[in-house]
Amino acid sequence: DAMVIQNPRYQVTQFGKPVTLSCSQTLNHNVMYWYQQKSSQAPKLLFHYYDKDFNNEADTPDNFQSRRPNTSFCFLDIRSPGLGDAAMYLCATSSRGGGETQYFGPGTRLLVL
Amino acid sequence: GESVGLHLPTLSVQEGDNSIINCAYSNSASDYFIWYKQESGKGPQFIIDIRSNMDKRQGQRVTVLLNKTVKHLSLQIAATQPGDSAVYFCAESFQGAQKLVFGQGTRLTINP
Repeated sequence: DAMVIQNPRYQVTQFGKPVTLSCSQTLNHNVMYWYQQKSSQAPKLLFHYYDKDFNNEADTPDNFQSRRPNTSFCFLDIRSPGLGDAAMYLCATSSRGGGETQYFGPGTRLLVL
Repeated sequence: GESVGLHLPTLSVQEGDNSIINCAYSNSASDYFIWYKQESGKGPQFIIDIRSNMDKRQGQRVTVLLNKTVKHLSLQIAATQPGDSAVYFCAESFQGAQKLVFGQGTRLTINP
C-alpha cells in the first residue's frame, strides 16, 4: 500500500547523459515536490507543482527540469548530469501545501560516472 | 534569511533512556512544525506534527513541545530503542507557503 512510489530506486548514469527519475502517488494530492539530498544534509527543495502550476526554487540549476503530466505522476529530468548531481532524489506530496504534512517516497539514489 | 536549525548535530543515548532532540526556528510567522525520521537509504518518515495553537502533542512514545516565546521545538522519544537510530529533521511551514523549511538534522545513535 505504498503511497509515494519512486522508480528506479537506484540509477547509474554517465556524465552528461540525460536521465529521468519517476514519482507516482496514490494519495490524489494536489502538490508534488522534488528534493535533492546529499549525504548528511537536509533535503533541498528543487521545485514543486501545485496541480499544474510549476514553482521553481530560485537557486535550482537550469539543468533540472520537471514534468507533471497528470495528478498521479511527476518526473525529474536532469539534462546533463554532472558529478555534483550525484545524490538522493526525493519526491514528496501534500494535499494543499502550506501548513500540511508532506509524505515522502523512498528516494532514488543517483550515481554519475 | 529565515531558517530552522538544530543545536546538536549528533546525539548518543543508552537504550531505554529518553532522548530529547532540539530545534530552533527563526520565522515568527511559522505556524506548523513537523518532525521526520530518516533511516539510512530511505526517505523521511513523518513522526509527529504540531500547530502553533498548541504547546504539546503526544504520540506513541514521542512528544513534541513547542515554545513560541523562544522559537524552540523539541522531540522527546521515550524508552529509546535500537530502531530509533536515524537522523531526525525538524521542519517548519506556514499557511500559504506551500513548502517546508528543514533544519539541519540530528543523528541519533543508541548505545546497547
